[in-house]
Amino acid sequence: ILNVEQSPQSLHVQEGDSTNFTCSFPSSNFYALHWYRWETAKSPEALFVMTLNGDEKKKGRISATLNTKEGYSYLYIKGSQPEDSATYLCAATTGGGNKLTFGTGTQLKVEL
Amino acid sequence: SAVISQKPSRDICQRGTSLTIQCQVDSQVTMMFWYRQQPGQSLTLIATANQGSEATYESGFVIDKFPISRPNLTFSTLTVSNMSPEDSSIYLCSVGLAGSYEQYFGPGTRLTVT
Repeated sequence: ILNVEQSPQSLHVQEGDSTNFTCSFPSSNFYALHWYRWETAKSPEALFVMTLNGDEKKKGRISATLNTKEGYSYLYIKGSQPEDSATYLCAATTGGGNKLTFGTGTQLKVEL
Repeated sequence: SAVISQKPSRDICQRGTSLTIQCQVDSQVTMMFWYRQQPGQSLTLIATANQGSEATYESGFVIDKFPISRPNLTFSTLTVSNMSPEDSSIYLCSVGLAGSYEQYFGPGTRLTVT
């Protein structure tokens, strides 16, 4: 059974703060790591998919890194804005398959 | 990418009844999946919807409880049968595109069973 863990469970930051979350996953038989952003009543939005050790990806103020050898990924948000408030989910796939195993998510609240 | 819609967006149902959730994609896709998120839990894969054949269920999920149809490459339904309050969840469909790692999700169906 693949076990994906995220921390922290929730986070409150002030507008303009930078923040980061952690996703840990088993490093054996790793295939891909996904980050999603999920706002209430909307579809989870795909942010990044990473497959290679050392991968770094960036989209605007959000970036992510991947370490497949030690089994973790970081998601960074620079200069948080209220519209960044959402639940951030990571999910891993193993063995070349398409089955996503999700963590429980990090709920981010950005306050003015 | 793919645009995915789900119906209904939410429902409140009585225990013992059944609800069918529809998932429509704007393009033909190879892979379609059904997930649920119970309160406080992770998104969990229920099954892979296979076009023209029976769905492939994950451990802990059975066809009698969650029958799935996939008549073509753009549409699928998930039925939650003989509902109990434990079935109160958000149900989401997702699609995977050939040659891509990515999966795209619908907006979900919020089900409350009373």
